[in-house]
Amino acid sequence: EIVMTQSPATLSVSPGERATLSCRASQSVSSNLAWYQQKPGQAPRLLIYGASTRATGIPARFSGSGSGTEFTLTISSLQSEDFAVYFCQQCNNWPQTFGQGTKVEIK
Amino acid sequence: EVQLVESGGGLIQPGGSLRLSCAASGFTLSNYWMHWVRQAPGKGLVWVSRMNYDGSSTAYAASVKGRFTISGDNAKNTLHLQMNSLRAEDTAVYYCARELPGGVPGLDPFDIWGQGTMVIVSS
Repeated sequence: EIVMTQSPATLSVSPGERATLSCRASQSVSSNLAWYQQKPGQAPRLLIYGASTRATGIPARFSGSGSGTEFTLTISSLQSEDFAVYFCQQCNNWPQTFGQGTKVEIK
Repeated sequence: EVQLVESGGGLIQPGGSLRLSCAASGFTLSNYWMHWVRQAPGKGLVWVSRMNYDGSSTAYAASVKGRFTISGDNAKNTLHLQMNSLRAEDTAVYYCARELPGGVPGLDPFDIWGQGTMVIVSS
């Protein structure tokens, strides 16, 4: 199965700053990559799919890029509600696999 | 409102069985591929199982194959996960999730998630 590796494990960012999260696949997943946000005690929320398409209701400050094995989630100006854990998921090969997550915390 | 609500979790001894349920509202379960995903305490997300529209196609993670069974009750618009021969490593929050339609069925991301139900396997 495809292994998804996220970096960094923890990202400390000040409100209003830009956050850049990385996700790497052990083999090409084309553009079949999704990003999720998860807050403590809550279910994951779909942010991005198809590597760069924002899900319904997701603010424009969230953007995704990449293809093949290297992907990036960018949050252009962090708001207080954006401090959370972010997971990537490959949707190219069965079984779908997730990265281990990046925690975005307040600096 | 489109919603998924899980139930059925709890504390169970190793070797025991539990049946999780996921009640859907605001949409018809049988029109979507549905999945179960679990998350051990403090850990990441792990895909567990999926089922297609009519239950004719199911799949399982290697770690649960032969022990877990996914099924649907169209009359009650509810998804189930029957878990047998439970092990300590099955301890996790179990989420049901709806697959986003439009891409490759069975491989699309998940656009609607339930709040999760906790399963603790311990003696």
